Amino acid sequence: EPEVTQTPSHQVTQMGQEVILRCVPISNHLYFYWYRQILGQKVEFLVSFYNNEISEKSEIFDDQFSVERPDGSNFTLKIRSTKLEDSAMYFCASKGTANYGYTFGSGTRLTVV
Amino acid sequence: GENVEQHPSTLSVQEGDSAVIKCTYSDSASNYFPWYKQELGKGPQLIIDIRSNVGEKKDQRIAVTLNKTAKHFSLHITETQPEDSAVYFCAASYSGGGADGLTFGKGTHLIIQP
Repeated sequence: EPEVTQTPSHQVTQMGQEVILRCVPISNHLYFYWYRQILGQKVEFLVSFYNNEISEKSEIFDDQFSVERPDGSNFTLKIRSTKLEDSAMYFCASKGTANYGYTFGSGTRLTVV
Repeated sequence: GENVEQHPSTLSVQEGDSAVIKCTYSDSASNYFPWYKQELGKGPQLIIDIRSNVGEKKDQRIAVTLNKTAKHFSLHITETQPEDSAVYFCAASYSGGGADGLTFGKGTHLIIQP
């Protein structure tokens, strides 16, 4: 069964550093998403991406965040200057068409120290 | 924006019994309601979803019901098994343009007692 692949599985970074979280969506999918989950809390929408541009973003997705699809396979989330409160699990998801459900990756646990 | 409330936060049932998890949503424009199962250390896995043009959907031991008027939807698991133990999340979105963000509930920790 096709999978969404995320790397790394765990990243530790110092406060103020830039991090890039990487995702390889399912190959024929068209819609791409980032979500985050702070430990013990619900999953929160960050951003959606379609046709090489951001479609929708939440209030969490401020100027410190950016997304990119640099080639035909990768989808990245960059946090420019990490804060302690950015510590969370970050999930990438993709979807084939408007009427299909999402497939989530296994997540990257980001720890900011 | 959309707000999704989910109850209970923890549910413990005997193996073989049924489990019901309930969610309400606030935005009447929402038309897509998936349920996800999350096991420890893993990403959410879609287990069943329902669209607003139907009232009920079933897949083996799992069923979802939707009441659009009352703006609530429920997950029903029958004949529960130990492997059903996990955190379950409901979600809602408006699936119109395609690149819709999901709004999740806070999750229900389902514990199946042997």
